Amino acid sequence: SQQGEEDPQALSIQEGENATMNCSYKTSINNLQWYRQNSGRGLVHLILIRSNEREKHSGRLRVTLDTSKKSSSLLITASRAADTASYFCATLRNQAGTALIFGKGTTLSVSS
Amino acid sequence: DVKVTQSSRYLVKRTGEKVFLECVQDMDHENMFWYRQDPGLGLRLIYFSYDVKMKEKGDIPEGYSVSREKKERFSLILESASTNQTSMYLCASSPRNLYEQYFGPGTRLTVT
Repeated sequence: SQQGEEDPQALSIQEGENATMNCSYKTSINNLQWYRQNSGRGLVHLILIRSNEREKHSGRLRVTLDTSKKSSSLLITASRAADTASYFCATLRNQAGTALIFGKGTTLSVSS
Repeated sequence: DVKVTQSSRYLVKRTGEKVFLECVQDMDHENMFWYRQDPGLGLRLIYFSYDVKMKEKGDIPEGYSVSREKKERFSLILESASTNQTSMYLCASSPRNLYEQYFGPGTRLTVT
């Protein structure tokens, strides 16, 4: 079962532009995480936002969370070619434990 | 730095073979996870473990089993490989009560 669904599925931008990806989920959450995956590699954790937080920043990343709409967005500012990757949101599979459910991902392509 | 290693990057096996995928983490993490990743389907949880000799089924456990005899090692076993198990397999680990997962580089398994 998929909890998070990213939108859009694919995004192509030029270097220097901002990239925004959205994630919608179905049930109430404790927290929501974003991960990045470079082609053919494992995932790397980017940022975690808790259900009582509305916005969080990490370098060029800005994550927002709207629990009333069950949605989150990841903004990458001033994109670089090295940001080319797939981005996934993930939520807890259930209230107990730390197993995650991942969305299907947004593939970001940044061209120079 | 946390390091999660997987025994092979690429593996080709024949239908009916018993296949072992090994995952080792070096940060004394209690939790370990196995996912498979397929185009259009995202990451799906196969099995996970919160302690040595403990295991729990994920969302798609059919056709798989796991073994965790030591804290640092979590093995995924395909009892009788089938072509529909051709996929990218990703292992991850995390500390007991923390949500961030650390991923290995993945094993791309082809069953012919």
